[in-house]
Amino acid sequence: NAGVTQTPKFRILKIGQSMTLQCAQDMNHNYMYWYRQDPGMGLKLIYYSVGAGITDKGEVPNGYNVSRSTTEDFPLRLELAAPSQTSVYFCAIGGQGANEQFFGPGTRLTVL
Amino acid sequence: GQQVMQIPQYQHVQEGEDFTTYCNSSTTLSNIQWYKQRPGGHPVFLIQLVKSGEVKKQKRLTFQFGEAKKNSSLHITATQTTDVGTYFCARGSNYKLTFGKGTLLTVNP
Repeated sequence: NAGVTQTPKFRILKIGQSMTLQCAQDMNHNYMYWYRQDPGMGLKLIYYSVGAGITDKGEVPNGYNVSRSTTEDFPLRLELAAPSQTSVYFCAIGGQGANEQFFGPGTRLTVL
Repeated sequence: GQQVMQIPQYQHVQEGEDFTTYCNSSTTLSNIQWYKQRPGGHPVFLIQLVKSGEVKKQKRLTFQFGEAKKNSSLHITATQTTDVGTYFCARGSNYKLTFGKGTLLTVNP
């Protein structure tokens, strides 16, 4: 039981490149989230999903896209990377019937 | 979204001293959660408070929810070097969380 896994751990992109951040869970939770964390700041919600086939925007969705074709996977897509997207990205899952969230180890992304 | 304000932003203590971080909202909170993030790590859930005036303890950590459900605090008694990290509060609503900016605690051994 790995919980929440994220790949890659680190990535450097050039401006304008695209990439997909992967998030997978083996806890069968319906709720999944993507956050970004900038230095000295809290976590800001990018997108979330309440179940397979259902996604919705969070606080800072611009420049990102998501999909949720299965319960297990919730990839985050950056189409045209910009320096403002340099951040640490965390995927999280929500427990059944509770609000607490379990976070993955994060992906540290740098856009140059 | 509705924000939660956390103070202080930073706190440096000597090992053995106490530490408190505060979380405030201008609107009533349905619940408040606390998370800890070690340097280089990911946030880890500590506790959720739901009831007005609620007080919960976890060993040296004491969590309080205000009577008006607009503020909360986390108090650590006799800090240890293992307490180092950033402590976040987060308001919960409709299965989403809005995080405060966190309080970074450093402990001098």
